[in-house]
Amino acid sequence: DTAVSQTPKYLVTQMGNDKSIKCEQNLGHDTMYWYKQDSKKFLKIMFSYNNKELIINETVPNRFSPKSPDKAHLNLHINSLELGDSAVYFCASSQGASGGPQYFGPGTRLLVL
Amino acid sequence: EDQVTQSPEALRLQEGESSSLNCSYTVSGLRGLFWYRQDPGKGPEFLFTLYSAGEEKEKERLKATLTKKESFLHITAPKPEDSATYLCAVLLGNAGNMLTFGGGTRLMVKP
Repeated sequence: DTAVSQTPKYLVTQMGNDKSIKCEQNLGHDTMYWYKQDSKKFLKIMFSYNNKELIINETVPNRFSPKSPDKAHLNLHINSLELGDSAVYFCASSQGASGGPQYFGPGTRLLVL
Repeated sequence: EDQVTQSPEALRLQEGESSSLNCSYTVSGLRGLFWYRQDPGKGPEFLFTLYSAGEEKEKERLKATLTKKESFLHITAPKPEDSATYLCAVLLGNAGNMLTFGGGTRLMVKP
């Protein structure tokens, strides 16, 4: 059973397009996250979200927006894609704000041409 | 500014050659330190959480330790299947539940 899943696995698109990446977790967690891993493999938090609070890393452009239809899903919408958005995007989840471990999905490889 | 630094960036070992990976941090209000393993093309896989100085955790050939300034991941008698990138991350008291990651150590174990 996949704990945290993402679709699509690969996404190739043109500059200026709008795209979405979907994330689902079946761990019963109440907090989900989006991370970006750049070409140097550095992993950076973008958002932390539960049903009460959205925390945004201040460096994230407002072209990026998380949308959560329910506790098990957190989708990432990206408007007006730019070349610099090319990266691997990881979804993760954890239980609450207890400081427990976060569990990651397999990643979505985005290439903007 | 909060910083997490991992060293070395890359480490080549012969099978059976034990070594340690370092994660040093200059942060305020540490709530926890996490170790992850990442294989090429995959997401990070959770290994350990350490919450206070002096704490140790073990799993098979891996042992993680924590002091007030750094954490070590000791690898005893590594095997080729231990080859991966090892990431450490800190959870800060003022950052919700968001992890700050180091740059990782790429470990290669040759048979």
